[in-house]
Amino acid sequence: NAGVTQTPKFRVLKTGQSMTLLCAQDMNHEYMYWYRQDPGMGLRLIHYSVGEGTTAKGEVPDGYNVSRLKKQNFLLGLESAAPSQTSVYFCASSSSGYSYEQYFGPGTRLTVT
Amino acid sequence: GENVEQHPSTLSVQEGDSAVIKCTYSDSASNYFPWYKQELGKGPQLIIDIRSNVGEKKDQRIAVTLNKTAKHFSLHITETQPEDSAVYFCAASRGADGLTFGKGTHLIIQP
Repeated sequence: NAGVTQTPKFRVLKTGQSMTLLCAQDMNHEYMYWYRQDPGMGLRLIHYSVGEGTTAKGEVPDGYNVSRLKKQNFLLGLESAAPSQTSVYFCASSSSGYSYEQYFGPGTRLTVT
Repeated sequence: GENVEQHPSTLSVQEGDSAVIKCTYSDSASNYFPWYKQELGKGPQLIIDIRSNVGEKKDQRIAVTLNKTAKHFSLHITETQPEDSAVYFCAASRGADGLTFGKGTHLIIQP
């Protein structure tokens, strides 16, 4: 049971390039989330999904797209990377129902030059 | 939307002493309040949580209190140990639509 895994762990992009971050969970959780963490800002919600095939915007969705084609995977895409998207990205998942406990992955450190 | 304020941003205590971190929230509909510990280079790890129908919860050296009327909740760590050194985050949620985090407290345990 690996929990929540994220791929890649590190990435450097040039401005304007695109990339996809992959999050996978093996806990059969319904809900999945993408957050970004910047120094002094805590974690901020980018997008989330309450089930396979569904997505919704969070607090800071601009410049990102997401897809949840399979229940266990949640993809975060950057179509045209900008230096402001330099951050550490965390994926999390939680089961449905009364328990809102979120389990976090190890993070992806992205630098956009 | 929800806004969570967390204080202090840095807290230094002597080993064995207690540490208290405080948070306030703005949305009266929030009903779930977790606390996360984050060590350098790792993802946040849940250490304790509390729901709005409970005023206090304790797990060994860690306790959380919630005052719904005042919209604030606190984390209490007793008998602090070196391994408690980390960044701690409070958060609030109304349900499945994600967590709103405070900006974090860097807890330093002095030997």
